Amino acid sequence: AQSVTQLGSHVSVSEGALVLLRCNYSSSVPPYLFWYVQYPNQGLQLLLKYTSAATLVKGINGFEAEFKKSETSFHLTKPSAHMSDAAEYFCALTWGNFNKFYFGSGTKLNVKP
Amino acid sequence: EPEVTQTPSHQVTQMGQEVILRCVPISNHLYFYWYRQILGQKVEFLVSFYNNEISEKSEIFDDQFSVERPDGSNFTLKIRSTKLEDSAMYFCASGGQGDLAGGYNEQFFGPGTRLTVL
Repeated sequence: AQSVTQLGSHVSVSEGALVLLRCNYSSSVPPYLFWYVQYPNQGLQLLLKYTSAATLVKGINGFEAEFKKSETSFHLTKPSAHMSDAAEYFCALTWGNFNKFYFGSGTKLNVKP
Repeated sequence: EPEVTQTPSHQVTQMGQEVILRCVPISNHLYFYWYRQILGQKVEFLVSFYNNEISEKSEIFDDQFSVERPDGSNFTLKIRSTKLEDSAMYFCASGGQGDLAGGYNEQFFGPGTRLTVL
């Protein structure tokens, strides 16, 4: 069975501080993992994806994530938060070819000036 | 850049009414999906569609729901008789340019339709 858990429904950081959004997964097959960002009243925009190549994945807007099989984690980080990073972030999992996505419950990131 | 579009952005309907949510997937994609997100909850898979038929559906996708690709460009979700609990954001997604050798797919999501059932 597949599932995704995002710890922390709300995370608040100061501008310039490290962003760490947590994602843990459970999968009985090798997973492919994604992070999406959703700005208010907008759709889901892909930030980055892990597809069994490099375990450290770099995405847009300075975000990166590291796939750690031993910890079943795929945490999202950014060294220095910007005000424009305030949004909701979703971790998602799929496997194989063109299968459905399982989403985490999302983490709302607030960036304080 | 190609994108998935959805109309309307917001639909308000009375309980028991039929609604049709429309999506235009990216033109060369072959796989189509509907997801929904009830306020404050996870994004949940509803149905996937390939080669003009449903390839998988969740237990949420009961007889009240149907999907169609009527003209080769649109992809619709119909709810025959809406219930209060159908109120949610509905996302359409499309995919089909994945690396088959690597065995993954990326899904491109539309902006969503917010359905409010009164």
